[in-house]
Amino acid sequence: SQKIEQNSEALNIQEGKTATLTCNYTNYSPAYLQWYRQDPGRGPVFLLLIRENEKEKRKERLKVTFDTTLKQSLFHITASQPADSATYLCAPTPGGYNKLIFGAGTRLAVHP
Amino acid sequence: ETGVTQSPTHLIKTRGQQVTLRCSSQSGHNTVSWYQQALGQGPQFIFQYYREEENGRGNFPPRFSGLQFPNYSSELNVNALELDDSALYLCASSLAFGQGSADTQYFGPGTRLTVL
Repeated sequence: SQKIEQNSEALNIQEGKTATLTCNYTNYSPAYLQWYRQDPGRGPVFLLLIRENEKEKRKERLKVTFDTTLKQSLFHITASQPADSATYLCAPTPGGYNKLIFGAGTRLAVHP
Repeated sequence: ETGVTQSPTHLIKTRGQQVTLRCSSQSGHNTVSWYQQALGQGPQFIFQYYREEENGRGNFPPRFSGLQFPNYSSELNVNALELDDSALYLCASSLAFGQGSADTQYFGPGTRLTVL
């Protein structure tokens, strides 16, 4: 069955550093992969989408990579700020689906 | 803000009762999906509605049912509530459904359901 793994432990980093979050998937080949941010008690908010034929995507301080050989996506936040503290969810999605299959998320804490 | 609203924000029910959760999608979005998110987990897909018809269901029993209306609103109904149904219920609307499409989904703030 489809399996998605994200770092279960919280990631604590200092303000100004680059945060790197990992998303690994097994037993299927997603056509695209989305990253969402979720604050406590709130719904997820879309950040970036990358397709299987794209290696890298950037948006402001965010960068996503997608390695279909390693079955892995990396999510980077450069020049991190305390306001970036949240849980980040990855959703590698098979083609033909409009439902999202989420990992459990990684909690990021950026300290001043 | 995504323009997707949900009501109520919080709800407490007892085991065996029935509950209806409501969602108002962004105008023009003809697809709505419902997700269940247990504490510390990612959202799990319940089902999706496209143009008022169910269009895909996750691994949830039939006591979870839904409706979608022409005015971009929708409902999630859960019968015979169980303790494990306690979770955050999220609806998400999207612009269009299509095979192989990668439409961004816009989530509402969720309804926190507690079953005692």
